[in-house]
Amino acid sequence: AAGVIQSPRHLIKEKRETATLKCYPIPRHDTVYWYQQGPGQDPQFLISFYEKMQSDKGSIPDRFSAQQFSDYHSELNMSSLELGDSALYFCASSLKRGAGLDTQYFGPGTRLTVL
Amino acid sequence: AQKVTQAQTEISVVEKEDVTLDCVYETRDTTYYLFWYKQPPSGELVFLIRRNSFDEQNEISGRYSWNFQKSTSSFNFTITASQVVDSAVYFCALSSTNFGNEKLTFGTGTRLTIIP
Repeated sequence: AAGVIQSPRHLIKEKRETATLKCYPIPRHDTVYWYQQGPGQDPQFLISFYEKMQSDKGSIPDRFSAQQFSDYHSELNMSSLELGDSALYFCASSLKRGAGLDTQYFGPGTRLTVL
Repeated sequence: AQKVTQAQTEISVVEKEDVTLDCVYETRDTTYYLFWYKQPPSGELVFLIRRNSFDEQNEISGRYSWNFQKSTSSFNFTITASQVVDSAVYFCALSSTNFGNEKLTFGTGTRLTIIP
């Protein structure tokens, strides 16, 4: 079965640079979530999109922005990178069935290293 | 606010032993979902199970079993006859069923090491 695809898998940037992470959800899934996992920590919710509209927002820095496109893929844009942004970034997708909720399936993650 | 507590930071057991990972949660929602995810050394997050708050039946899947007790706000995970491949960090997570508020709140995880 098709899974969530994230690219790139690894990314190395310098401080103050910009990074773009991409996420391709499971086919027919309509909701995308972004999470950040620091070293030795649990994943923290950043932002989510349902049908291309932002549906929820967590502790996402103002330097970060995200969107979901017409083909349902999503991009997380990160500017003015800081050392503390070094983390594993996960994208997850789910399918909402009417007013219900389906399971979030995670991609393999993008490991961002800021030097 | 939602909160998930996994008090066991690290557990080590010898292969073939049974092991139980504890999870306690807090939520004000009347309906909610509980999850377990596995994060092996390779780093991906693998979905294991989802449980609805209105369904307190225990579930068994092969060597895995889950015990949900609403009265104690616990959702514990037992691995029977553990294997080296079970070595991973296991996260318990909680989400609301309210539309637009389905983000996962994770516990801090339990690192499980199976000793050959």
